[in-house]
Amino acid sequence: QVQLQESGPGLVKPSETLSLTCTVSGGSITSYYWSWIRQPPGKGLELIGYIFYSGNTNYNPSLESRVTISVDTSKNQFSLELSSVTAADTAVYYCARVGKSYDILTGYSLPFDFWGQGTLVTVSS
Amino acid sequence: QSVLTQPPSVSAAPGQNVTISCSGTSSNIGSNCVSWYQQLPGTAPKLLIYDNNKRPSGIPDRFSGSKSGTSATLGITGLQTGDEADYYCGTWDSGLSVGVFGTGTKVTVL
Repeated sequence: QVQLQESGPGLVKPSETLSLTCTVSGGSITSYYWSWIRQPPGKGLELIGYIFYSGNTNYNPSLESRVTISVDTSKNQFSLELSSVTAADTAVYYCARVGKSYDILTGYSLPFDFWGQGTLVTVSS
Repeated sequence: QSVLTQPPSVSAAPGQNVTISCSGTSSNIGSNCVSWYQQLPGTAPKLLIYDNNKRPSGIPDRFSGSKSGTSATLGITGLQTGDEADYYCGTWDSGLSVGVFGTGTKVTVL
Protein backbone atom coordinates (compact mmCIF):
# COMPACT_ATOMS: atom_id res chain seq x y z
CA GLN A 1 0.00 0.00 0.00
CA VAL A 2 1.45 3.32 -1.08
CA GLN A 3 1.78 5.90 1.71
CA LEU A 4 2.64 9.59 1.44
CA GLN A 5 3.83 11.90 4.21
CA GLU A 6 4.21 15.66 4.02
CA SER A 7 6.90 17.46 6.01
CA GLY A 8 7.99 21.05 6.40
CA PRO A 9 7.50 24.22 8.47
CA GLY A 10 4.01 24.93 9.74
CA LEU A 11 4.59 28.67 9.89
CA VAL A 12 5.97 30.88 7.12
CA LYS A 13 6.39 34.65 7.14
CA PRO A 14 4.74 36.82 4.48
CA SER A 15 6.88 37.34 1.34
CA GLU A 16 9.01 34.29 2.16
CA THR A 17 9.05 30.89 0.42
CA LEU A 18 6.96 27.94 1.55
CA SER A 19 8.83 24.64 1.20
CA LEU A 20 7.35 21.19 1.69
CA THR A 21 8.53 17.66 0.98
CA CYS A 22 6.46 14.53 0.37
CA THR A 23 8.03 11.16 1.12
CA VAL A 24 6.57 8.16 -0.69
CA SER A 25 6.76 4.71 0.91
CA GLY A 26 5.37 1.31 0.00
CA GLY A 27 6.04 1.84 -3.69
CA SER A 28 8.36 3.46 -6.18
CA ILE A 29 7.97 7.07 -7.23
CA THR A 30 8.75 6.07 -10.81
CA SER A 31 6.06 5.55 -13.45
CA TYR A 32 3.54 7.89 -11.82
CA TYR A 33 2.61 11.54 -11.57
CA TRP A 34 2.77 13.21 -8.15
CA SER A 35 0.85 16.28 -7.10
CA TRP A 36 0.38 19.01 -4.54
CA ILE A 37 -3.15 20.09 -3.61
CA ARG A 38 -4.16 22.66 -1.04
CA GLN A 39 -7.29 23.48 0.94
CA PRO A 40 -7.71 26.82 2.74
CA PRO A 41 -9.50 26.50 6.09
CA GLY A 42 -13.20 25.85 5.51
CA LYS A 43 -12.85 25.96 1.74
CA GLY A 44 -12.50 23.63 -1.23
CA LEU A 45 -9.64 21.87 -2.95
CA GLU A 46 -7.18 23.53 -5.35
CA LEU A 47 -4.62 21.68 -7.47
CA ILE A 48 -1.26 23.43 -7.27
CA GLY A 49 0.49 21.23 -9.82
CA TYR A 50 2.00 17.85 -10.51
CA ILE A 51 5.24 16.29 -11.68
CA PHE A 52 6.14 13.12 -13.53
CA TYR A 53 9.01 11.09 -12.09
CA SER A 54 11.08 12.11 -15.11
CA GLY A 55 10.73 15.75 -14.08
CA ASN A 56 8.01 17.01 -16.43
CA THR A 57 5.70 19.41 -14.61
CA ASN A 58 2.28 20.99 -14.95
CA TYR A 59 1.32 23.95 -12.80
CA ASN A 60 -1.97 25.69 -12.07
CA PRO A 61 -1.84 28.86 -14.22
CA SER A 62 -3.06 30.92 -11.26
CA LEU A 63 0.06 29.94 -9.25
CA GLU A 64 2.56 29.15 -11.99
CA SER A 65 4.72 32.26 -11.49
CA ARG A 66 5.37 31.32 -7.85
CA VAL A 67 5.47 27.51 -7.90
CA THR A 68 8.26 24.98 -8.36
CA ILE A 69 7.72 21.24 -7.96
CA SER A 70 10.73 18.94 -8.10
CA VAL A 71 11.39 15.23 -7.66
CA ASP A 72 14.24 13.21 -6.13
CA THR A 73 13.85 9.62 -7.27
CA SER A 74 16.85 8.48 -5.21
CA LYS A 75 15.00 9.47 -2.02
CA ASN A 76 11.49 8.61 -3.28
CA GLN A 77 10.51 12.20 -2.55
CA PHE A 78 9.04 15.18 -4.34
CA SER A 79 8.91 18.77 -3.15
CA LEU A 80 6.95 22.01 -3.39
CA GLU A 81 8.25 25.56 -3.25
CA LEU A 82 5.80 28.48 -3.27
CA SER A 83 7.40 31.89 -3.25
CA SER A 84 6.23 35.33 -2.09
CA VAL A 85 3.53 33.89 0.13
CA THR A 86 0.71 35.92 1.64
CA ALA A 87 -2.05 35.14 4.13
CA ALA A 88 -4.09 33.83 1.20
CA ASP A 89 -1.67 30.91 0.93
CA THR A 90 -2.61 29.68 4.41
CA ALA A 91 -4.01 26.20 3.86
CA VAL A 92 -3.69 22.50 4.49
CA TYR A 93 -1.27 21.22 1.86
CA TYR A 94 -1.69 17.65 0.62
CA CYS A 95 0.56 15.56 -1.55
CA ALA A 96 -1.11 12.89 -3.67
CA ARG A 97 -0.36 10.34 -6.35
CA VAL A 98 -2.01 10.94 -9.71
CA GLY A 99 -3.13 8.09 -11.91
CA LYS A 100 -3.08 10.29 -14.99
CA SER A 101 -3.98 8.76 -18.33
CA TYR A 102 -5.43 9.71 -21.69
CA ASP A 103 -7.77 7.94 -24.06
CA ILE A 104 -8.78 9.39 -27.41
CA LEU A 105 -12.42 8.44 -26.77
CA THR A 106 -12.84 9.45 -23.13
CA GLY A 107 -10.24 12.21 -22.77
CA TYR A 108 -8.01 12.77 -19.77
CA SER A 109 -8.41 10.87 -16.53
CA LEU A 110 -6.84 12.51 -13.47
CA PRO A 111 -7.69 10.53 -10.34
CA PHE A 112 -5.78 11.33 -7.14
CA ASP A 113 -5.68 7.82 -5.70
CA PHE A 114 -3.34 8.04 -2.70
CA TRP A 115 -3.10 11.06 -0.40
CA GLY A 116 -0.91 12.20 2.45
CA GLN A 117 -2.57 13.22 5.70
CA GLY A 118 -1.98 16.90 4.95
CA THR A 119 -0.03 19.58 6.76
CA LEU A 120 -1.33 22.98 7.82
CA VAL A 121 0.85 25.87 6.72
CA THR A 122 0.06 29.25 8.21
CA VAL A 123 1.42 32.44 6.68
CA SER A 124 1.85 35.02 9.42
CA SER A 125 4.47 37.34 10.82
CA GLN B 1 -10.83 28.40 -8.76
CA SER B 2 -13.84 26.05 -8.71
CA VAL B 3 -15.16 25.77 -12.23
CA LEU B 4 -17.32 22.77 -11.36
CA THR B 5 -20.56 23.54 -9.53
CA GLN B 6 -22.02 21.30 -6.83
CA PRO B 7 -24.95 21.86 -4.45
CA PRO B 8 -23.65 23.13 -1.08
CA SER B 9 -25.48 20.46 0.88
CA VAL B 10 -27.75 17.44 0.68
CA SER B 11 -29.36 15.52 3.52
CA ALA B 12 -31.37 12.37 4.05
CA ALA B 13 -32.27 9.88 6.73
CA PRO B 14 -30.28 6.69 7.30
CA GLY B 15 -31.05 4.04 4.71
CA GLN B 16 -32.22 6.51 2.10
CA ASN B 17 -30.51 7.36 -1.16
CA VAL B 18 -28.92 10.64 -2.22
CA THR B 19 -27.41 12.03 -5.39
CA ILE B 20 -24.88 14.82 -5.78
CA SER B 21 -24.58 16.70 -9.04
CA CYS B 22 -21.46 18.23 -10.56
CA SER B 23 -22.01 20.71 -13.38
CA GLY B 24 -19.28 21.77 -15.77
CA THR B 25 -18.65 22.68 -19.39
CA SER B 26 -17.59 21.09 -22.66
CA SER B 27 -13.92 21.81 -21.87
CA ASN B 28 -13.92 19.86 -18.63
CA ILE B 29 -16.62 17.29 -17.82
CA GLY B 30 -17.84 17.27 -21.40
CA SER B 31 -14.53 15.98 -22.75
CA ASN B 32 -12.74 14.28 -19.86
CA CYS B 33 -13.27 11.72 -17.11
CA VAL B 34 -14.69 12.60 -13.69
CA SER B 35 -13.49 11.47 -10.29
CA TRP B 36 -15.26 11.77 -6.93
CA TYR B 37 -13.72 12.17 -3.47
CA GLN B 38 -15.03 11.77 0.06
CA GLN B 39 -13.52 13.93 2.79
CA LEU B 40 -14.47 12.89 6.31
CA PRO B 41 -14.11 15.63 8.95
CA GLY B 42 -10.48 16.40 9.70
CA THR B 43 -9.07 13.91 7.20
CA ALA B 44 -7.60 13.88 3.71
CA PRO B 45 -9.88 13.29 0.72
CA LYS B 46 -10.33 9.69 -0.42
CA LEU B 47 -10.91 8.56 -4.00
CA LEU B 48 -14.41 7.08 -4.36
CA ILE B 49 -14.98 7.01 -8.12
CA TYR B 50 -12.68 7.42 -11.12
CA ASP B 51 -13.20 7.34 -14.88
CA ASN B 52 -16.81 8.48 -14.33
CA ASN B 53 -18.11 5.22 -12.85
CA LYS B 54 -15.30 2.96 -11.66
CA ARG B 55 -14.72 2.16 -8.00
CA PRO B 56 -11.23 1.59 -6.54
CA SER B 57 -10.69 -1.59 -4.62
CA GLY B 58 -12.37 -1.42 -1.20
CA ILE B 59 -15.04 1.13 -2.09
CA PRO B 60 -18.50 -0.37 -1.47
CA ASP B 61 -20.96 -0.59 -4.34
CA ARG B 62 -23.29 1.74 -2.42
CA PHE B 63 -21.30 4.46 -4.18
CA SER B 64 -21.81 4.92 -7.91
CA GLY B 65 -20.95 7.49 -10.54
CA SER B 66 -22.35 8.52 -13.88
CA LYS B 67 -21.77 11.20 -16.50
CA SER B 68 -23.99 12.74 -19.13
CA GLY B 69 -22.88 15.59 -21.33
CA THR B 70 -21.37 18.32 -19.16
CA SER B 71 -22.67 16.98 -15.84
CA ALA B 72 -21.75 14.13 -13.53
CA THR B 73 -23.57 12.54 -10.63
CA LEU B 74 -22.48 10.67 -7.51
CA GLY B 75 -25.05 8.35 -5.99
CA ILE B 76 -25.04 6.95 -2.49
CA THR B 77 -27.53 4.25 -1.62
CA GLY B 78 -28.44 3.03 1.87
CA LEU B 79 -27.05 6.15 3.54
CA GLN B 80 -25.10 5.52 6.74
CA THR B 81 -24.01 7.87 9.53
CA GLY B 82 -20.43 7.19 8.50
CA ASP B 83 -21.17 8.76 5.11
CA GLU B 84 -21.42 12.21 6.67
CA ALA B 85 -18.65 14.05 4.85
CA ASP B 86 -17.81 16.57 2.17
CA TYR B 87 -17.82 15.23 -1.38
CA TYR B 88 -15.89 16.72 -4.30
CA CYS B 89 -15.91 16.02 -8.01
CA GLY B 90 -12.80 16.57 -10.11
CA THR B 91 -11.63 16.43 -13.68
CA TRP B 92 -9.20 17.89 -16.21
CA ASP B 93 -10.07 21.20 -17.88
CA SER B 94 -8.68 21.16 -21.41
CA GLY B 95 -9.23 24.90 -21.85
CA LEU B 96 -7.46 25.93 -18.64
CA SER B 97 -4.90 23.07 -18.92
CA VAL B 98 -5.30 22.28 -15.23
CA GLY B 99 -7.03 19.81 -12.98
CA VAL B 100 -10.12 21.29 -11.35
CA PHE B 101 -12.34 20.39 -8.44
CA GLY B 102 -15.97 21.06 -7.67
CA THR B 103 -17.21 23.45 -5.02
CA GLY B 104 -17.95 20.57 -2.66
CA THR B 105 -21.15 19.15 -1.16
CA LYS B 106 -21.73 18.45 2.51
CA VAL B 107 -23.79 15.32 3.10
CA THR B 108 -25.74 15.23 6.35
CA VAL B 109 -27.42 12.13 7.69
CA LEU B 110 -30.54 13.20 9.55
